[in-house]
Amino acid sequence: DGGITQSPKYLFRKEGQNVTLSCEQNLNHDAMYWYRQDPGQGLRLIYYSQIVNDFQKGDIAEGYSVSREKKESFPLTVTSAQKNPTAFYLCASSMFGEVNEQFFGPGTRLTVL
Amino acid sequence: QKEVEQDPGPLSVPEGAIVSLNCTYSNSAFQYFMWYRQYSRKGPELLMYTYSSGNKEDGRFTAQVDKSSKYISLFIRDSQPSDSATYLCAMSEGQNFVFGPGTRLSVLP
Repeated sequence: DGGITQSPKYLFRKEGQNVTLSCEQNLNHDAMYWYRQDPGQGLRLIYYSQIVNDFQKGDIAEGYSVSREKKESFPLTVTSAQKNPTAFYLCASSMFGEVNEQFFGPGTRLTVL
Repeated sequence: QKEVEQDPGPLSVPEGAIVSLNCTYSNSAFQYFMWYRQYSRKGPELLMYTYSSGNKEDGRFTAQVDKSSKYISLFIRDSQPSDSATYLCAMSEGQNFVFGPGTRLSVLP
């Protein structure tokens, strides 16, 4: 089955620790995205990548970092510099082109203790 | 003004009702319009997408786009308790992809 997987489903972090969220897709999509979702605020774009070894900041990139070493993988690191990291994180992918509807993974819920 | 606004707010309807969900947007360059459904604690799933103005029907769901008014709608006929979810509109032009804040729908049996 083609799709997007995210792991872990739930993640707990102590203040001051970095954590990495995994996102893998086997849809052969060129572009991948990371969003943060908070109650009542919809989806906010953190980072996106259109090709391997290249990525751009979204609207709320501060305190986050990403890498894109393989087409299938786009991990997100939440660093200790992110002041309010507790949220639901969603990874998405799309073909790069004129029609680019995004397909989402199941999400990771991060809680800072 | 926000780039995409969505209404109504949280909505509760009885089973079998017709539901209307709406978004307005400010960027006239948007060409592709999508509706996503998100169940609690899950990722959004693509429900429908349309290109430019017009209607598209898929079973109990109808999407309408009026580019002249910068207004899109999703209608759900004969709503079911399984339709209870948050519905997100989205629109794009090139690599500019924007989501609305979502409407939470509860369909009561």
